[in-house]
Amino acid sequence: VQLQESGPGLVKPSGTLSLTCTVSGYPINNGYYWGWIRQSPGKGLELIGRIYHSGDTYYNPSLKSRVTISVDTSKNQFSLRLTSVTAADTGVYFCARVPDAAEAFDFWGRGTRVMVSS
Amino acid sequence: SYELTQPLSLSVTLGQTARITCGGNNIASRNVHWYQHKPGQAPVLVIYRDSNRPSGIPERFSGSNLGNTATLTINRAQVGDEADYYCQVWDSQTACVFGGGTKLTVL
Repeated sequence: VQLQESGPGLVKPSGTLSLTCTVSGYPINNGYYWGWIRQSPGKGLELIGRIYHSGDTYYNPSLKSRVTISVDTSKNQFSLRLTSVTAADTGVYFCARVPDAAEAFDFWGRGTRVMVSS
Repeated sequence: SYELTQPLSLSVTLGQTARITCGGNNIASRNVHWYQHKPGQAPVLVIYRDSNRPSGIPERFSGSNLGNTATLTINRAQVGDEADYYCQVWDSQTACVFGGGTKLTVL
């Protein structure tokens, strides 16, 4: 199983951050949860949210008003959209797989660095 | 909200044992997972549910969880083990908590 994040490395303040995670070696619609995690200098690792293969989602309450995670099973991808970004959203964004609701993240992507700056 | 506390850094002599701790209130009642993260690479799960090793992880890696402290033990530490190590639990089935991470240096 491999995961690969992709998307712009620079986003303007108040803009929208959009990332895609492409999964290989495992069909997303076979099950499992698929999550986005970020690492910010001031906050360490933080779960942004996750999506079940059926489309059910969970979002971190601190980000919920700005986050959308969606899945495209035809492309074996899932995506993150974060609106109204500020400098505090700068960091490295990882996608990862979770076999079940409270299990470990068993496979991760390498991460993609996103900077919010004008 | 639940919090996990890890030492910022730990140094170990080549070939000796490294013990990385993760503190939390009654953490023994939760399943603790451990990740190894080297710069520029994908994080790797090294221990899940306190003490289980995923396929491909060396037997030198082990975990324990007792009282208010979970511990990741790395026997016969190698230069290749230098990395940041994170513990993680679920506060509920949705609230994910990570420790702040420990930077392991092998001297």
